[in-house]
Amino acid sequence: NAGVTQTPKFQVLKTGQSMTLQCAQDMNHNSMYWYRQDPGMGLRLIYYSASEGTTDKGEVPNGYNVSRLNKREFSLRLESAAPSQTSVYFCASSDQAGQYTDTQYFGPGTRLTVL
Amino acid sequence: DAKTTQPNSMESNEEEPVHLPCNHSTISGTDYIHWYRQLPSQGPEYVIHGLTSNVNNRMASLAIAEDRKSSTLILHRATLRDAAVYYCILYAGNMLTFGGGTRLMVKP
Repeated sequence: NAGVTQTPKFQVLKTGQSMTLQCAQDMNHNSMYWYRQDPGMGLRLIYYSASEGTTDKGEVPNGYNVSRLNKREFSLRLESAAPSQTSVYFCASSDQAGQYTDTQYFGPGTRLTVL
Repeated sequence: DAKTTQPNSMESNEEEPVHLPCNHSTISGTDYIHWYRQLPSQGPEYVIHGLTSNVNNRMASLAIAEDRKSSTLILHRATLRDAAVYYCILYAGNMLTFGGGTRLMVKP
């Protein structure tokens, strides 16, 4: 099992460019998440999808859109990148969002720099 | 949301036990205590969780105070591979909120 995979691993954008970060999981999990981590800080939730067909905003959704393409895949789109979006982006999945004992599995991250 | 307080950093010697403390004085009755860790240049990984009773798994032990206002993650024999940032998180089934965590340094 690959677990949670993310592409690309690294990306450099110019201000105003758009891009989509891809995430896939092979654990048959219902829920998927996108986080960002700025240098020296903890992770902050951008969007999540509790189940296929649903998406909800997290703590820092502005400037992002998401698509739950199917049960396996959850993409994050930056329509017009800004330097403030320079960060490391992590995708995660879990079996059942909303359950107190739910645990999340994280991908290796995408390091994004916006010039 | 209930908050947690952890020391910014701790140091340990290899093969010695490590006790990582976490204060959560405003914890509510339904909050579970979850611990994750993040190795350098990797995504976080789940370590352990508990509600009231002490918990053990292959990675660590979790000791929870009787009043639930604090907890301690115990690594029984630290290895160099355990050097990471450890996050203590109160989870009520909504979203994981990561604070700054404790950076654990392990000396050979």
